[in-house]
Amino acid sequence: AQSVAQPEDQVNVAEGNPLTVKCTYSVSGNPYLFWYVQYPNRGLQFLLKYITGDNLVKGSYGFEAEFNKSQTSFHLKKPSALVSDSALYFCASSGGGATNKLIFGTGTLLAVQP
Amino acid sequence: DGGITQSPKYLFRKEGQNVTLSCEQNLNHDAMYWYRQDPGQGLRLIYYSQIVNDFQKGDIAEGYSVSREKKESFPLTVTSAQKNPTAFYLCASSIPAGSSGNTIYFGEGSWLTVV
Repeated sequence: AQSVAQPEDQVNVAEGNPLTVKCTYSVSGNPYLFWYVQYPNRGLQFLLKYITGDNLVKGSYGFEAEFNKSQTSFHLKKPSALVSDSALYFCASSGGGATNKLIFGTGTLLAVQP
Repeated sequence: DGGITQSPKYLFRKEGQNVTLSCEQNLNHDAMYWYRQDPGQGLRLIYYSQIVNDFQKGDIAEGYSVSREKKESFPLTVTSAQKNPTAFYLCASSIPAGSSGNTIYFGEGSWLTVV
């Protein structure tokens, strides 16, 4: 069965420091991987996705993610964190096929301290 | 502005009552989805529709019903059979329906609380 794991419930980082939010996946076939961000009481906003090609994907607000097939990981990164980056981050995967259903991880709360 | 509109933002349901959450999109997307969000559990798929007049059950469809009479609209009814309906409900859409990897876009969500 497909699954997405986010091993950390919360990540704390100081403003200006690099941040990493971890994601691993278990998907049959070609993995299509996504990152979304959610601010309190709001919907999910799309950040970036990996479909094929370059393993380093750049997205919105300075975020990027690296696809690593051997480690089945798709970690989200940013070189310099901002307080405004504090939010809930979701990794998701659709495993290919004729439908576009996403399987979500449980989310990681990113807290950036000033 | 193009987007996905969910209403109402907050809804209260009495025991034994059916309630309907509205979802409208003007993105000309083929596929629409309903997800439920509970703390610590991520998002779980309730129903999805790839085309008008067709929809499929997701992972947690029991106690819910949907319709897709128009491309723009995908309302979700939470029936009295859903015993624990208190949650944040998210509607989403994507184009085209027939392949994976297309970005799914979300509405702002609706809070449903049982009183």
